[in-house]
Amino acid sequence: KQEVTQIPAALSVPEGENLVLNCSFTDSAIYNLQWFRQDPGKGLTSLLLIQSSQREQTSGRLNASLDKSSGRSTLYIAASQPGDSATYLCAVRGSGTYKYIFGTGTRLKVLA
Amino acid sequence: DGGITQSPKYLFRKEGQNVTLSCEQNLNHDAMYWYRQDPGQGLRLIYYSQIVNDFQKGDIAEGYSVSREKKESFPLTVTSAQKNPTAFYLCASIWGQNTGELFFGEGSRLTVL
Repeated sequence: KQEVTQIPAALSVPEGENLVLNCSFTDSAIYNLQWFRQDPGKGLTSLLLIQSSQREQTSGRLNASLDKSSGRSTLYIAASQPGDSATYLCAVRGSGTYKYIFGTGTRLKVLA
Repeated sequence: DGGITQSPKYLFRKEGQNVTLSCEQNLNHDAMYWYRQDPGQGLRLIYYSQIVNDFQKGDIAEGYSVSREKKESFPLTVTSAQKNPTAFYLCASIWGQNTGELFFGEGSRLTVL
């Protein structure tokens, strides 16, 4: 059974710092992996989607990498800003399935 | 604009009552999902549907029911059999033939009084 873990659970950094969020999964037979942002009381906003054949995806200050063999993905945020404060979740979709399994998220606070 | 609409945004229910949460999408997506989110926890899958008139149980389906009579609609009923229904409920969808990017609605917060 696929399990997805995100470490750390919470992170507080000063503005301008580069940071890395981690996502680990137990079954490497995945179709894709997606990173989301969630603001308090809101739905999830898709940030980056990495297909199983890809190694990384980039969007602006965000870069996500995928290493299937080790069961890991990282979300790199460059030059963090207070507006980046939110909860970041990763989700894995298994091969041959429509099911997405979510991690518990990393709550990020960027201090001005 | 294309998107996923959930209603109501907030809902209060007395114990013993069934309630239905609405989810409508105009993205022409094939698959739709219902997730539950509790404070400090990740999302847990309740039900999902790949096509009209077909749906599968997720990890926590007990006390919930769904229907998929139209491609654009996937309502969730929280029945009185659900022991701890107070939670944030999120609906999502994907277009089955493409890369599989998951899109979410804004959520419905259910509180049982």
